[in-house]
Amino acid sequence: GDSVTQMEGPVTLSEEAFLTINCTYTATGYPSLFWYVQYPGEGLQLLLKATKADDKGSNKGFEATYRKETTSFHLEKGSVQVSDSAVYFCALLDGSSNTGKLIFGQGTTLQVKP
Amino acid sequence: EPEVTQTPSHQVTQMGQEVILRCVPISNHLYFYWYRQILGQKVEFLVSFYNNEISEKSEIFDDQFSVERPDGSNFTLKIRSTKLEDSAMYFCASSEASSQETQYFGPGTRLLVL
Repeated sequence: GDSVTQMEGPVTLSEEAFLTINCTYTATGYPSLFWYVQYPGEGLQLLLKATKADDKGSNKGFEATYRKETTSFHLEKGSVQVSDSAVYFCALLDGSSNTGKLIFGQGTTLQVKP
Repeated sequence: EPEVTQTPSHQVTQMGQEVILRCVPISNHLYFYWYRQILGQKVEFLVSFYNNEISEKSEIFDDQFSVERPDGSNFTLKIRSTKLEDSAMYFCASSEASSQETQYFGPGTRLLVL
């Protein structure tokens, strides 16, 4: 079945460092891809998405490009802030599904130190 | 900005008791979902719901679980006889006119079964 794999955490960075969180997927169809963020004590918030190959999603300085050839959707940010500390989830939505089932990766915890 | 709300935020119950988790999706959304996240694990799909019936359910969603949209605003998840392993954070989500639309998540209900 479809699946999402994320890099293991936690990732610890200093403020203003460059961030990459790797995400790869396995899917039979042509999925839409998402990054959700979960701040401490809160629910999941959509960070960005891409719906087809070569699309780039971006929001709040974060970017991710849908790479069909490598089945990847890595999350990047050029300069992280302490306020970016959270758990980041990569997810896919099967393009052939009409039920809206999101499949999540295991989450990657990011800790940004001042 | 419209948001998904969930009540209660926390619930503690005894094993074998029934619990009902409540959600108010975004008002013009037509697709509704429940997910759960056991502490430290992936967010897992439980069920999707459209047009007053279940569209898809996971293996987790056995006969102990049911969902209902009792009126025009609420969407509920009932667990008939809770088990220790039902302890988790339960997230409700909703999406607009299509199951392929972005899903917006509520803040979650943390359920603890003793």
